[in-house]
Amino acid sequence: SQQGEEDPQALSIQEGENATMNCSYKTSINNLQWYRQNSGRGLVHLILIRSNEREKHSGRLRVTLDTSKKSSSLLITASRAADTASYFCATASGNQFYFGTGTSLTVIP
Amino acid sequence: DAGITQSPRHKVTETGTPVTLRCHQTENHRYMYWYRQDPGHGLRLIHYSYGVKDTDKGEVSDGYSVSRSKTEDFLLTLESATSSQTSVYFCAISGGDGKSPFWDEQFFGPGTRLTVL
Repeated sequence: SQQGEEDPQALSIQEGENATMNCSYKTSINNLQWYRQNSGRGLVHLILIRSNEREKHSGRLRVTLDTSKKSSSLLITASRAADTASYFCATASGNQFYFGTGTSLTVIP
Repeated sequence: DAGITQSPRHKVTETGTPVTLRCHQTENHRYMYWYRQDPGHGLRLIHYSYGVKDTDKGEVSDGYSVSRSKTEDFLLTLESATSSQTSVYFCAISGGDGKSPFWDEQFFGPGTRLTVL
């Protein structure tokens, strides 16, 4: 069973544009996290938002969380070619931790 | 990847053979995790550890066992490898400040690509 699902599965934008990806999950959570994975590498933690928070910022990243809709969004502003990667949401729920299947972002220079 | 190493980085083995993957950390983090990553499934948790000798099952634990005899090492064993266990395996750690709860920010190793023929 999969807790988190990202949408869209793939996204292609021009450098300088904003990129938005969404994550939906099924059960109540303790926190929701976003990770980035460059091709062939391990995952890198981007941001964590707790269940009692609604919005969080980190540099060019903005994350929102709507627990009533069981959804989160990740906004990357002023995208760069170096942002090309796969992005995963992950949810902590009870004694388990689930990753979604990811959004593949391509930023065209 | 700093502070987390996985060995081997690549391995090809045959069905039915035992395989052990090692995760070693130099960060003194309390919690350690093993995941597998497969196309279309994202990352799935296999087992995790919340302290030395304290481990528990994740979402896809069947066919895998783990051991943690000291803080820095977390071993993943496939007792009898099957082709369905062909995957990329990632180790992760968290809880370095001694105060963070479980399931907080995780730091990932570089991965081990395992092929079972």
